[in-house]
Parts: sequence; C-alpha cells; structure tokens
Amino acid sequence: ETGVTQTPRHLVMGMTNKKSLKCEQHLGHNAMYWYKQSAKKPLELMFVYNFKEQTENNSVPSRFSPECPNSSHLFLHLHTLQPEDSALYLCASSQDLASGANEQFFGPGTRLTVL
Amino acid sequence: GQNIDQPTEMTATEGAIVQINCTYQTSGFNGLFWYQQHAGEAPTFLSYNVLDGLEEKGRFSSFLSRSKGYSYLLLKELQMKDSASYLCAVEDSNYQLIWGAGTKLIIKP
Repeated sequence: ETGVTQTPRHLVMGMTNKKSLKCEQHLGHNAMYWYKQSAKKPLELMFVYNFKEQTENNSVPSRFSPECPNSSHLFLHLHTLQPEDSALYLCASSQDLASGANEQFFGPGTRLTVL
Repeated sequence: GQNIDQPTEMTATEGAIVQINCTYQTSGFNGLFWYQQHAGEAPTFLSYNVLDGLEEKGRFSSFLSRSKGYSYLLLKELQMKDSASYLCAVEDSNYQLIWGAGTKLIIKP
C-alpha cells in the first residue's frame, strides 16, 4: 500500500449504530487530519493530530470521536449519527504542522450515508 | 471571519485556456494551495504560492497577489481529463487550511 488509505470506502448506517472509519498513511508523516466534505460546500476540518497529539477540534459534535494510536493510523468513531452527517469523510496527512508548503495528501474518502 | 471565494462552475473548450479565480480573507497568511479533485476521488495537490507572482508547472500556472487577497489558476491546452473540481485553500496563521467550496470545471469537445 502506498499513500493514504481509508476503509471502508462506503458505509450505510442507522442512527443508532456504532461504526468506525479507519485511515492509514504510508508516507512517514507526523500530522493527520479528518475532513467532512458535503456537496457544494468547502471542506470542513474536523480534527487534527500532530505527533499523535490532538491539536484541533473544530466544534465537532461529540457523536464523532477521533483516535490516533500512532502517527500512521487515525480512526473516527461514529455513534448516534444524524442524517445530516451523511457526507464524504476524507483523511489527510502532511509532514507535520507549520513546516511551510504543508502539502496535504488525501485518502480516497469514506462515503457515509446515515439513514 | 475567514472566507474563500471561487466560482461554482465554469465551462471551457478542449484545447483552450481557462482561468479560475480565488479571493480570500483570512486571519493570517502562510501560503495558498490549489488542489484538483475528480468526481469520486481524493483531492490532489497542484500548486503552492507563498510569494507574489506566477508559478508555472507544465500546463498549469498559479498566480498570487497577497495585497489583493487574490489568486488564479491558469490551465492551458485543456484536455478532457482536466474536467474536475479545483479547490483553493489558504493556510492561515494557525497553519490550518481554509478551503473554498471548489470550482467545477466542465470541458467540452
């Protein structure tokens, strides 16, 4: 595997379910990100981890819970979601924060549908 | 507040040139990025500008004017595969990327 991978690629869940999204990067990066992408809206930054430490939580509802066990893996735990949470969830990584020209590499995303 | 503006959609003809504009108002500026995103795929990096002027990379060029809070992405010799969304993003003083909603570019034969 190369780059940034995400599983599953598609997920349909009910509002009472609990599921987790997984992201893995094979680039040796130290920063990882979760974004939400809804149709015709800007990418919304949800969480940022730098060297396994969470640095940002942009007012994300508690029904989304991130976990970063090491610099290569990032999870997003989901529970009691709402239909408006249906979106494409993108994971990204970069060398670290504040390193200049901080290019982010994205995974293919998980298309989430909440029924 | 922080704001990135770019046109929602543009149409151009194969072989032609198209310019996609982006204006921004952010708290601090550490650089501007352009990404390309094909439908159903991940965004991929195209260019980065931190100083005023034009950066050229093959058929794609990106321009920045920090005093005007303005950038554009110029695509030359358009090909059908250039049909995609083009995302403008500014790195703010906290080194976070603030994203525009993207410009969907449609290329017609």
